Amino acid sequence: KAGVTQTPRYLIKTRGQQVTLSCSPISGHRSVSWYQQTPGQGLQFLFEYFSETQRNKGNFPGRFSGRQFSNSRSEMNVSTLELGDSALYLCASSSGTGVNNEQFFGPGTRLTVL
Amino acid sequence: SQQGEEDPQALSIQEGENATMNCSYKTSINNLQWYRQNSGRGLVHLILIRSNEREKHSGRLRVTLDTSKKSSSLLITASRAADTASYFCAVGGAGNNRKLIWGLGTSLAVNP
Repeated sequence: KAGVTQTPRYLIKTRGQQVTLSCSPISGHRSVSWYQQTPGQGLQFLFEYFSETQRNKGNFPGRFSGRQFSNSRSEMNVSTLELGDSALYLCASSSGTGVNNEQFFGPGTRLTVL
Repeated sequence: SQQGEEDPQALSIQEGENATMNCSYKTSINNLQWYRQNSGRGLVHLILIRSNEREKHSGRLRVTLDTSKKSSSLLITASRAADTASYFCAVGGAGNNRKLIWGLGTSLAVNP
């Protein structure tokens, strides 16, 4: 099976802009979770989608949003970008809910906000 | 704050030696997972141990869980240079806290 894919791999934006990141899970996986990884804060949970429904949400402002489509592909959107949003954004898929099952990670999208 | 906290933050050993990393957490858990991250293969799942389990093995990896002490350890035996990576514990919360919360990781360097 193909692994988790994320696009784009690298992105440079300026403050105030918005960005959309895409994630295609492993075929058959219905759960997609998103994480933000920075050197100082480590991996921080953004949200999890399961069968197109948001099941859980981390402690991020409303500028961070996501959705999942019927084919399980997921997108996350960050509006009004801030310098502090510069990070590696990781997507993970699992066959069941992410908290109880092995998660398979994509390579990430490296976002730089100037 | 992070749910899982790894110790030590960094570890440097020689090939063939064993490496032990520890993870402590604060609340009730459903499970605890260990992952490895390096530049070549990204973030990869190693072992998931459930709250009613005490020990699990996978190849050269051994994970223990002590729920009374709210801690887990990951032992890598006979380490290889390819084990050089950052190792993270991720705590799967129980009850209403059904999120996977990550520690900051242990950076392991295995010297040839």
